[in-house]
Amino acid sequence: DIQMTQSPSSLSASVGDRVTITCRASQTINIYLNWYQQKPGKAPKLLIYAASSLQSGVTSRFSGSGSGTDFTLTISSLQPEDFATYYCQQSYSTRYTFGQGTKLEIK
Amino acid sequence: QLHLQESGPGLVKPSETLSLTCSVSNGSISSRTYYWGWVRQPPGKGLEWIGSIFYTGRTLYNPSLKSRLIISVDTSKDQFSLRLSSVTAADTAVYYCARLGMFLPPGIEGIRYFDAWGRGSLVIVSS
Repeated sequence: DIQMTQSPSSLSASVGDRVTITCRASQTINIYLNWYQQKPGKAPKLLIYAASSLQSGVTSRFSGSGSGTDFTLTISSLQPEDFATYYCQQSYSTRYTFGQGTKLEIK
Repeated sequence: QLHLQESGPGLVKPSETLSLTCSVSNGSISSRTYYWGWVRQPPGKGLEWIGSIFYTGRTLYNPSLKSRLIISVDTSKDQFSLRLSSVTAADTAVYYCARLGMFLPPGIEGIRYFDAWGRGSLVIVSS
């Protein structure tokens, strides 16, 4: 299976900060990489697909980049509603796998 | 707007079979574009893909669960179902059903992503 490793596992930041979360795949996955946001007690929500395509209805504060094995999710200016856990997920292999998650907390 | 809803018992005894159904509304499960899948999340932990199904019945399973897993589809009811046998406490989780959309960039095969989710159903395995 393709292993997905996110860093950091947790992050404290303030409203207005620019934040970057990294996801690394154990083998090359081209741009077969998606990002999700999950708030406590809620289902995950798709933010970014195909590494850099913004899902319809998602604020442009979120952006994604990368290809091959290294990817980033950037939040340009943190808002209170952005504090959540973020997951990357690969679909290069049909044995889909997720990263372990990055918990974004208020500083 | 597409709506997915999980249903099934919230408590299952060890060694028995966990069964859940996902009902799809405001959309057809028979679309040639989408796969339909199950993802679970143990309490306080991350997400794990369980398996996916196409409306024709073609399935993809997580190898770690394959020997205990059956996913099926009922196109007449716009439903798909999960059966996981011989459960243990390690199968305690919130189970989500989801739709797998697809993006077709030029030059490469389609990229799948989970673009719609149910609210989730907590299943506890305990005697």
